[in-house]
Amino acid sequence: SQTIHQWPATLVQPVGSPLSLECTVEGTSNPNLYWYRQAAGRGLQLLFYSVGIGQISSEVPQNLSASRPQDRQFILSSKKLLLSDSGFYLCAWSVQGQGARYTQYFGPGTRLTVL
Amino acid sequence: AQSVAQPEDQVNVAEGNPLTVKCTYSVSGNPYLFWYVQYPNRGLQFLLKYITGDNLVKGSYGFEAEFNKSQTSFHLKKPSALVSDSALYFCAVRDRQAAGNKLTFGGGTRVLVKP
Repeated sequence: SQTIHQWPATLVQPVGSPLSLECTVEGTSNPNLYWYRQAAGRGLQLLFYSVGIGQISSEVPQNLSASRPQDRQFILSSKKLLLSDSGFYLCAWSVQGQGARYTQYFGPGTRLTVL
Repeated sequence: AQSVAQPEDQVNVAEGNPLTVKCTYSVSGNPYLFWYVQYPNRGLQFLLKYITGDNLVKGSYGFEAEFNKSQTSFHLKKPSALVSDSALYFCAVRDRQAAGNKLTFGGGTRVLVKP
């Protein structure tokens, strides 16, 4: 079966510091990968998605970047954190394929607090 | 463009009573529709999805949802709510023509089941 991991689970960082959040998927190959941010325990905002190694699509211009150095690894980064970067970051994966019918499955999330 | 509306921020229901969480959507073509549940400080868990076929979809934990094309709705239902169903529920839609299997989420509905 497939599993998705995120770490760290929680993170407290000062404004202006760098950020690196990691997401890995086990039990599948060549998945689509996604980064979402959830602010104030409500709606989800899609930040980035990737259909393959080195292929990143950005949904919202911002202080963050994403990379996919390996097939099942997805990294969210920032060079200098802002207060507004605080939130709950969720990674998700789905099977690739035509028709867009495949379910997205979410990781446990990382709670980021920027002080 | 695709969009989802969850008109109720919160739904309160007594344990043992029926539970309904409303969702309406807008897509240019035919939709794929999903329901997820989120417990505090956890990732989203997939409940059920509508792809094609029978308009009544049955999912995990006794939940079901009815696809109504004429009303562009996909309401989530459970015949008898449990206290443990208290959580945040998200409806999501994907246009079949959308690239990258991207989902658009509603703003979420908080369900509180009282004993």
